Amino acid sequence: NAGVTQTPKFRVLKTGQSMTLLCAQDMNHEYMYWYRQDPGMGLRLIHYSVGEGTTAKGEVPDGYNVSRLKKQNFLLGLESAAPSQTSVYFCASSPQREVTDTQYFGPGTRLTVL
Amino acid sequence: AQKVTQAQTEISVVEKEDVTLDCVYETRDTTYYLFWYKQPPSGELVFLIRRNSFDEQNEISGRYSWNFQKSTSSFNFTITASQVVDSAVYFCALTEGMNRDDKIIFGKGTRLHILP
Repeated sequence: NAGVTQTPKFRVLKTGQSMTLLCAQDMNHEYMYWYRQDPGMGLRLIHYSVGEGTTAKGEVPDGYNVSRLKKQNFLLGLESAAPSQTSVYFCASSPQREVTDTQYFGPGTRLTVL
Repeated sequence: AQKVTQAQTEISVVEKEDVTLDCVYETRDTTYYLFWYKQPPSGELVFLIRRNSFDEQNEISGRYSWNFQKSTSSFNFTITASQVVDSAVYFCALTEGMNRDDKIIFGKGTRLHILP
């Protein structure tokens, strides 16, 4: 099993450009999450999904959209990138329907918006 | 609302010393879970432990041990005989109840430097 993978690993955007980050998991997990990590802020939840076809807002959802068309994939979109979205983005998944279960993290995507 | 506080932003100790990372949490729920994750310099997040609110027994795993104290709302992490490979950022996290819409809240992390 590859676990949780993220594409791309690095990306540089100009302000106003759009892009999509892809998260894929091969563990048949129900729950998937997108976090951003900024210095001194820890991890903050952007959006999450409790199953295929469902999404919900987390702590910092503004400026992002997500989709979960397939159970194994969770996409994070930036429609018009801003410098404030420069961050490291982590995807995670958890195996059970209860969110209290352990989360498995991807390797992260480092995004810079100029 | 739930909250996790890791008051120690950064700690440096010399190799072989013991070090304790503090975690204080706030929750209104009686059922909750606490976690510790490690983020080494390579950047990935590694799960270390999960503890539910009904199990106050301390846990030991090799050089790692965890002290869960409900009376003080703390879930502290101790590394005994620290090694350079323990250098990382450590995150404490909390989730409440069994509601499927609940979310995990992370502390801001403690950066641990183990000096050779």
